[in-house]
Amino acid sequence: GAGVSQSPRYKVAKRGQDVALRCDPISGHVSLFWYQQALGQGPEFLTYFQNEAQLDKSGLPSDRFFAERPEGSVSTLKIQRTQQEDSAVYLCASSGYQTVNTGELFFGEGSRLTVL
Amino acid sequence: AQTVTQSQPEMSVQEAETVTLSCTYDTSESDYYLFWYKQPPSRQMILVIRQEAYKQQNATENRFSVNFQKAAKSFSLKISDSQLGDAAMYFCAYRLYSGTYKYIFGTGTRLKVLA
Repeated sequence: GAGVSQSPRYKVAKRGQDVALRCDPISGHVSLFWYQQALGQGPEFLTYFQNEAQLDKSGLPSDRFFAERPEGSVSTLKIQRTQQEDSAVYLCASSGYQTVNTGELFFGEGSRLTVL
Repeated sequence: AQTVTQSQPEMSVQEAETVTLSCTYDTSESDYYLFWYKQPPSRQMILVIRQEAYKQQNATENRFSVNFQKAAKSFSLKISDSQLGDAAMYFCAYRLYSGTYKYIFGTGTRLKVLA
């Protein structure tokens, strides 16, 4: 597609519910990143994929967070048993072979999660 | 651990004037990238400008330029001839040149442009 697409744009969940956030990267982009952005803060790294391989998941805050990219394209970030502190905007970004080496990330508009 | 600090939560500039946003970082590495990203109210971040640490020459992109001081670990963004469309959150970011693609962002500076 023309840009990175994320869905849903807005999600309200009751505490304890599971949520799944989807990211469609730019076609052909091998690298995919998930970031968490709390209100008024900068993005915090969650995890990074190169194709289908999850090369770095050091930023996932707990074992309730899980990300996958089974075919090296679309990625899903799953949060189990949501807590209020999970409320944030979840940003997805992708990068191609050339741009990953130049450092440019292409971001989606984010999924805003509110946990009540 | 690498950190990125933006000490100005908010800045204002008159249209057509020049403004400088500050960023400092901490790293023990010698090869890395530094970036400024812009996040307009719609939340889609876009790259404004980047700098490779091994380059002494400051990067410039049209009205945007940086002042990169490697020894001082400082990386400021200068916006010349400010326009209403420049109003946004600006994030400074760091990434190692190789080995890891983890980007570390600062907390951001909100830029207001006054007509």
